[in-house]
Amino acid sequence: TQLLEQSPQFLSIQEGENLTVYCNSSSVFSSLQWYRQEPGEGPVLLVTVVTGGEVKKLKRLTFQFGDARKDSSLHITAAQPGDTGLYLCAGRRIQGAQKLVFGQGTRLTINP
Amino acid sequence: GAGVSQTPSNKVTEKGKYVELRCDPISGHTALYWYRQSLGQGPEFLIYFQGTGAADDSGLPNDRFFAVRPEGSVSTLKIQRTERGDSAVYLCASSLGTSGYEQYFGPGTRLTVT
Repeated sequence: TQLLEQSPQFLSIQEGENLTVYCNSSSVFSSLQWYRQEPGEGPVLLVTVVTGGEVKKLKRLTFQFGDARKDSSLHITAAQPGDTGLYLCAGRRIQGAQKLVFGQGTRLTINP
Repeated sequence: GAGVSQTPSNKVTEKGKYVELRCDPISGHTALYWYRQSLGQGPEFLIYFQGTGAADDSGLPNDRFFAVRPEGSVSTLKIQRTERGDSAVYLCASSLGTSGYEQYFGPGTRLTVT
């Protein structure tokens, strides 16, 4: 059983469309992070959200942490082919916060 | 500055053989982590070091897996009697500390057991 469930696992859309990726859990996390991973590379941190209800924006990307700190979402506006990649959410648990717990990832393809 | 480096980038070995995977963390980072990423999955925690000692090895799947960091810098993940199910990308990450610090990941070692 995955502690963090990401949905959808695969998403293929046209350039210019909007999309949302979800990361859900029944557990509470002290913080939640979103990473992007390219083929042959390690994950690269995009953002960390810490406070319940927190919203952070990174250009066309909007990240939200749920009020109960159990879930998060990533919304991309006007997707571009350069947004193509594997998006991973990862949480730090209240106990054992040193190790990250990852979702299974969302493979996003933006078609020109 | 240099990021986290891992060698080799690819390793193909036969079932039953012993392998060592190496991680060079970012200079000055005291914490080092190993994760394993199977095909189509997110990374799974294996072990982390604070300095030279393994602070949490709860993610190691069994006693065939062992990791060391003798001088508090470079770390080696060792796998004995490899099995086909060990095939995965092994990722290393380092951070300045353990409490809330960003983890910087290396490119990984792709291990294939035939």
